[in-house]
This record gives sequence, C-alpha cells and structure tokens, in this order.
Amino acid sequence: DTGVSQDPRHKITKRGQNVTFRCDPISEHNRLYWYRQTLGQGPEFLTYFQNEAQLEKSRLLSDRFSAERPKGSFSTLEIQRTEQGDSAMYLCASSPDGGNQPQHFGDGTRLSIL
Amino acid sequence: KQEVTQIPAALSVPEGENLVLNCSFTDSAIYNLQWFRQDPGKGLTSLLLIQSSQREQTSGRLNASLDKSSGRSTLYIAASQPGDSATYLCAVRTAAAGNKLTFGGGTRVLVKP
Repeated sequence: DTGVSQDPRHKITKRGQNVTFRCDPISEHNRLYWYRQTLGQGPEFLTYFQNEAQLEKSRLLSDRFSAERPKGSFSTLEIQRTEQGDSAMYLCASSPDGGNQPQHFGDGTRLSIL
Repeated sequence: KQEVTQIPAALSVPEGENLVLNCSFTDSAIYNLQWFRQDPGKGLTSLLLIQSSQREQTSGRLNASLDKSSGRSTLYIAASQPGDSATYLCAVRTAAAGNKLTFGGGTRVLVKP
C-alpha cells in the first residue's frame, strides 16, 4: 500500500495555458475523487469515479475542466484556458467499494496561475 | 444542502493541555464523519472515521464523539504535543449527497512548547 500519489506536486503556469494533473490511487481502490482546496478553506468536491465511470460532477466543474479515468486505474484532471481563480490545491482521494469506507488523500497538486 | 462548520478557526494551547475541537453539521442524515489532519502544504491524513451508528471512536491519544441528532462531533486530543500543531478538518458523507465528502473550514491548532 503505497498511498495515493499525485503528480506534479506544484505547477506554475501563465493564464490561458492548459494544465493536466495525474492521480494514482491506492491499488484495488475502485473509487476515485477529485477535490479543490483554496487557501484557508476546506476542500470542495469536484468529481467522483467508480472504476472508469464518472458518476458525479460538481457544478464547480465548469466546461473548462475535464477528468478521465480510462482504465479504472489512474486518473487525469485537465484545466483548459486557465484563469487566476483556478489557483488552488487539487487533491485526489481513493477508497474501496462500500458505503462506509474512509477516503485516503494524496499530497495534492498546487496550481499557481501567473 | 449539507453545511459543516468548525469553530474556532484557530486555537493556541500550551503543551500538555487537552485539545477539544468542534464540528457541527446541518443535515443529520449522514453515513459517516471523518476527521483529518493537514500539515502546511500537504494533503490530508485520515485520523478517525465514525459510522453514523457509532457514538465514538478512539485511536491512541485521539477520541472522537458523534451526536447525530444534534449535528455535532468533537475531537479530543489528550496531552497535546508541539507535533500536534496542524489544521484539523472534519468531513461528513451525507445520504442525500452521494459519495462526496462535505468539509468544514478547519481549525488551525498551535501547541506551544
């Protein structure tokens, strides 16, 4: 059990550029979640996958955001045409199947928009 | 819509004192409540998970209680140490909200030597 892994740890980019983040969940965890956290706030839910199926999406996930989990293992989160307001920590979590399993979080990707 | 509140937002105590962290939520129809620790610039470390049918959970110096009917949970940390300095977040999984967690804003704790 190597934990949830996220890459990169920190991304700095200019406004208007596209960025992509990767998350590798704990192996055998079928459920994968993305959250966004701004400074001084708690994380906010973005989207949830059960295996390769994206089952829930927050209204926070505008049409500039897209997430995939093509083979039910790792996931990517892409932000197109980045804006200043996208600056945040993007956190990935995973959990086993079952309604009452804890979610385990990675160390996050910090996005800074210049 | 579920709302989770943590008061106070920040707390400073001398080493050795017991810590009491509060979490309140508006919708009592929850599946579970999870307490996390977050160090600066890092991700979240799960501390305790309490199922909706449980009243409390314990792990070492940590004890979390749950009163679902009043929408409250309390995290107790006994005999605090400087290494306990961090932000503590509570999150609930609500029946009406699918699989997502709804988080409070956190309590930032400083334990002074």
